[in-house]
Amino acid sequence: GQNIDQPTEMTATEGAIVQINCTYQTSGFNGLFWYQQHAGEAPTFLSYNVLDGLEEKGRFSSFLSRSKGYSYLLLKELQMKDSASYLCSTGFQKLVFGTGTRLLVSP
Amino acid sequence: DGGITQSPKYLFRKEGQNVTLSCEQNLNHDAMYWYRQDPGQGLRLIYYSQIVNDFQKGDIAEGYSVSREKKESFPLTVTSAQKNPTAFYLCASRRDPSSNQPQHFGDGTRLSIL
Repeated sequence: GQNIDQPTEMTATEGAIVQINCTYQTSGFNGLFWYQQHAGEAPTFLSYNVLDGLEEKGRFSSFLSRSKGYSYLLLKELQMKDSASYLCSTGFQKLVFGTGTRLLVSP
Repeated sequence: DGGITQSPKYLFRKEGQNVTLSCEQNLNHDAMYWYRQDPGQGLRLIYYSQIVNDFQKGDIAEGYSVSREKKESFPLTVTSAQKNPTAFYLCASRRDPSSNQPQHFGDGTRLSIL
């Protein structure tokens, strides 16, 4: 079976750093994706990891440990516009999502 | 511009009625997906298709049906057997089902019961 877990909600202040964790168990694996979703909108792609280690993309970084079934998304220099849900997704041909982590950034 | 178009944006269903949600893509992608999202929840997979004339059930297929007669189109029918259809429905596509490319999403359809 497939199971993806993320924290339900996190809060942080503007300018801070936040780490959103994701643990997964899947029957197939071809990489782990992170998406951002603002309320009422479609998800947009943020980051992808297929090998262990850290991938950096501006203010966003994502880390993967395949042996531990674990990933995190790191957001630096938080801005108010980063208030959104962050979705972790993986699988092989069948792509499934975690429940999403709602991040609230306060001034 | 290439992309995924979902229509309608809002849809209302009467009791006992079947409704069909449209999803069209001009990205020449092989794989297409339907997800359901309930308020404050993540995306749950309804059906997916890796190639024309073939599709597989996702985790919550009961009460839904799909077809994939053309590469660019993957309509979803919400049947009267789906007793709680109110949700946000998202269609996605990907270049090929085994690739490491991310999914592209349409803007979604909000379905409500009258």
